[in-house]
Amino acid sequence: DAMVIQNPRYQVTQFGKPVTLSCSQTLNHNVMYWYQQKSSQAPKLLFHYYDKDFNNEADTPDNFQSRRPNTSFCFLDIRSPGLGDAAMYLCATSSGAGGRRTGYEQFFGPGTRLTVL
Amino acid sequence: AQSVSQHNHHVILSEAASLELGCNYSYGGTVNLFWYVQYPGQHLQLLLKYFSGDPLVKGIKGFEAEFIKSKFSFNLRKPSVQWSDTAEYFCAVNPSGGGFKTIFGAGTRLFVKA
Repeated sequence: DAMVIQNPRYQVTQFGKPVTLSCSQTLNHNVMYWYQQKSSQAPKLLFHYYDKDFNNEADTPDNFQSRRPNTSFCFLDIRSPGLGDAAMYLCATSSGAGGRRTGYEQFFGPGTRLTVL
Repeated sequence: AQSVSQHNHHVILSEAASLELGCNYSYGGTVNLFWYVQYPGQHLQLLLKYFSGDPLVKGIKGFEAEFIKSKFSFNLRKPSVQWSDTAEYFCAVNPSGGGFKTIFGAGTRLFVKA
């Protein structure tokens, strides 16, 4: 089955120690997103790629970076995690093609829960 | 700033009860609207979507939602819930002209008692 895969599912890191979360997709979608979700809050968009075109949200801290080396993979790098960065990180994709009717539906991975000690 | 409000954070219903979850958004232009669902232990998945046309849209598992433009609302309904509907439900809005950015509500946790 076509899907969005996130690794690892659980990540523990130390305060200030860089961490990388990965996302891969077999849907061949053009658009990939990273969301941060804290308990009882809405998923908050950090950034997204349309192909290699990177779109950063204005309020995404500089501490968060992303890489998309190819269509299938996207990485979230947190350069110096703070206690406030502990959250669930969701990766999602959408096709970006076919206009509004089909291009904007998002397909989510299971998420990576990040703990910062 | 654009935002999405879901009125109830927690809802508890008995099986066969009717369900209505409220969603309001703050954006004056054309929007694409979504409801996503997250069942326990599973990832977020699409329940239904509205782009244009008939404001009453039907999704999977007997769910429907009605877009009322004048009220900036997109409420989710189901006439008779089942225990298996226990999940968290998220309303989401993609403003037309906003590219692929989608704004999510904080979610409503539904618990259906058997």
